[in-house]
Amino acid sequence: KQEVTQIPAALSVPEGENLVLNCSFTDSAIYNLQWFRQDPGKGLTSLLLIQSSQREQTSGRLNASLDKSSGRSTLYIAASQPGDSATYLCAVRDDDYKLSFGAGTTVTVRA
Amino acid sequence: GAGVSQSPSNKVTEKGKDVELRCDPISGHTALYWYRQRLGQGLEFLIYFQGNSAPDKSGLPSDRFSAERTGESVSTLTIQRTQQEDSAVYLCASSLTGGVDYGYTFGSGTRLTVV
Repeated sequence: KQEVTQIPAALSVPEGENLVLNCSFTDSAIYNLQWFRQDPGKGLTSLLLIQSSQREQTSGRLNASLDKSSGRSTLYIAASQPGDSATYLCAVRDDDYKLSFGAGTTVTVRA
Repeated sequence: GAGVSQSPSNKVTEKGKDVELRCDPISGHTALYWYRQRLGQGLEFLIYFQGNSAPDKSGLPSDRFSAERTGESVSTLTIQRTQQEDSAVYLCASSLTGGVDYGYTFGSGTRLTVV
């Protein structure tokens, strides 16, 4: 059974600092990995999708890397802003349809 | 539609009542999923639809939970005789196919509170 772990569970940084969020998974036979953002009381917003054949994906200030063989992904957020405050979830697809989610990293960016 | 739409956004119900939660996926998305998120916990898979069929119902917690999908579009999750432990945010997602190259798009969820 796939286990997805996100470290740290919570992170507080001053505005402008770069954020590094870590995700690890136990079974490296994945199809893809997706990073989501969740605001309090809201649904999930997809940030980046990395296919198993890819090493990284970038969107604006966000960059996600994937090392499938070691079972790791890292989400980098450059020059953080208070609006980046949210919970960030990592999910891996190791089945032909089902996602396994981590518990998330809750980020607070202080103005 | 432009995104996945869920209704109602909030539902408060009395213990023992039945509730229906609705999901409108993105037009053309054949795969549809229901997940549950209890307060402070991660997402739990409930059920997967491919078209109108549900190949995997393994996540439904009990026989009080059922779901259907019609017209390869709208899905309804029904919880009968609600219990307080059913309180959670119920999230629906869709993807273009059941295949592995497409990410999920989630709706905003229905927050269910059983009192």
